[in-house]
Formats: sequence, C-alpha cells, structure tokens
Amino acid sequence: DAKTTQPNSMESNEEEPVHLPCNHSTISGTDYIHWYRQLPSQGPEYVIHGLTSNVNNRMASLAIAEDRKSSTLILHRATLRDAAVYYCILRDVGEYGNKLVFGAGTILRVKS
Amino acid sequence: AAGVIQSPRHLIKEKRETATLKCYPIPRHDTVYWYQQGPGQDPQFLISFYEKMQSDKGSIPDRFSAQQFSDYHSELNMSSLELGDSALYFCASSDYRVGDKNIQYFGAGTRLSVL
Repeated sequence: DAKTTQPNSMESNEEEPVHLPCNHSTISGTDYIHWYRQLPSQGPEYVIHGLTSNVNNRMASLAIAEDRKSSTLILHRATLRDAAVYYCILRDVGEYGNKLVFGAGTILRVKS
Repeated sequence: AAGVIQSPRHLIKEKRETATLKCYPIPRHDTVYWYQQGPGQDPQFLISFYEKMQSDKGSIPDRFSAQQFSDYHSELNMSSLELGDSALYFCASSDYRVGDKNIQYFGAGTRLSVL
C-alpha cells in the first residue's frame, strides 16, 4: 500500500477555512485519494475522494496537485463538530473491496 | 437512511472467555469489513467478506474467526480472550454495484473490555 504523510495535528478557529495537507509521493496511477474522518467515540466517516481533478461535495473540497504527489482537504468553514482525526488514504481503483489502511492521521482541533 | 448496526455496543469479558460481535450491514450492501482500534491507536483491518466469501485478511489473530451469512450480516468470533484484545471493533459495509466509489460506511463500534 502506498504511504501517506500527514501533520500530527492542526488547529483552527471556528468559522474559518481549514486546509489539511497530505503527501503521497509514491502514489500510483490507479490510486484514488480518499479522506475519512473519525469524530470522538464514533466510527470513521467517509468525507471525499478523487483521482486527478479537484472535487467538491457538501462536506468538503479536495484539491489534488497536478503531479498527484500531494493533496489538500479543505473545510470551508470549520465548526466545532468538525473536530476529529482526518485520515488520507490511497486505494487502488482496480481492487474492489480492498481494505482501508489507516495511517497516522491529523488531529484537527477547532477553537470557538 | 439505514446505517450499519453493530451489537452489542459494549461487552465485558474475562480472560480466556469467548466473545461474539455482530454486524448488520446497510441493506443491499454485499461487502463487510472488520477493523480493530486499540486505545490511542488508528483502526487496523482484520478481515472482509464479499458475497459471503472471505475477500481479504489482515492482522487477525488465529483465535479470531468471522463469517458472513446468507442475509449478509457478519459475526466476529473471538476465543481465548486476552487483555490485549480490549479495543473498539468496527464493522463497515460497502456496495460492489456502486463501482469505483467503494465507500465504506462504518458502524458505531463495539467496545470490548477484557478483564
């Protein structure tokens, strides 16, 4: 499994945008970039995923570098409910049902 | 919308006892995954099933076994429990027919405490 590297922790003020970086320099051409988050005392939750182009959904945006060696998860207006551990995970598009490999994610703290 | 249901939510067992965790996937989902999350750790993949057949296996101890039944629910059986088995156990499900999305939906987890 290709490896990802994320900051251990980040802090944000409520109502401000948050940019969570992820480095994946060994990504292969068939790897999707997935983001999950885990709120305290809950199971992980899917946030967003992409392959090459930037993606937006109701929760967040995903900006993917042109060489795909890094990506950034963008929360446009952080709320206290966004405080969680955010995981950046690579998954091969050709392998359905393959496991999620959780590395050391980023602990996001949101201050009111 | 229906979510992944796990039972029980909490379980307390003694060393060397046996535990059974149950997982009911989202309706029409055909794939089930089990993850273990120790205290202060990240989730680790144990095993998965697609259409009632084991599809992948991770760092699951030989003392553990699992299966997926005809109604797609899954059970994780854990025998000869050890203190180190104390953890949160998550089940997730996904739908093969959705194709490349392959999003996994997680349950709330079962907290197992081995005393």
